[in-house]
Amino acid sequence: GQNIDQPTEMTATEGAIVQINCTYQTSGFNGLFWYQQHAGEAPTFLSYNVLDGLEEKGRFSSFLSRSKGYSYLLLKELQMKDSASYLCAVRDRADSWGKLQFGAGTQVVVTP
Amino acid sequence: KAGVTQTPRYLIKTRGQQVTLSCSPISGHRSVSWYQQTPGQGLQFLFEYFSETQRNKGNFPGRFSGRQFSNSRSEMNVSTLELGDSALYLCACAGNEAFFGQGTRLTVV
Repeated sequence: GQNIDQPTEMTATEGAIVQINCTYQTSGFNGLFWYQQHAGEAPTFLSYNVLDGLEEKGRFSSFLSRSKGYSYLLLKELQMKDSASYLCAVRDRADSWGKLQFGAGTQVVVTP
Repeated sequence: KAGVTQTPRYLIKTRGQQVTLSCSPISGHRSVSWYQQTPGQGLQFLFEYFSETQRNKGNFPGRFSGRQFSNSRSEMNVSTLELGDSALYLCACAGNEAFFGQGTRLTVV
């Protein structure tokens, strides 16, 4: 079967760093996405990795290791507004451009 | 990202009714995907359309259907609504960034 696993919840203090891990087992691989979703809102795109390595975008970085089926999202200098659910998603085929498989999401709680 | 527009934003329907949701993708995007999000099942892929053709379909009953028009706008339809169809329905433009619309929150009573 196909599986995308991420922790259910993480708590961190304002100003700290949090790393959200995602492991995947899919029939193929054509890219990994990270999204942020605040309660009651639609997911917002954060990052896309298709090659191994680290992609940095401001306070957010995402890492991918295709051989290990592993990715992480790193949130630095946490702010209260970063409290949200973070979703990991995999596209498993190049010809299924719009078909993403999502993990259950990691709820990040930022405390003062 | 601004540009993926879904209507309506909120909808309340009765069991047994049918509903049609609309999505207008970002200008120039020909691929539109639909997802259902519920607290219990998370985000699940419904179907993908590209140039008016359904390219992929998720594991949902035949009551869920969709179509895409020549201007790339897409609609999805759910017939014979059940209580379990209450969810946030999201439309996305595919690409290296896959942007979502704001969603339609459907409540079935």
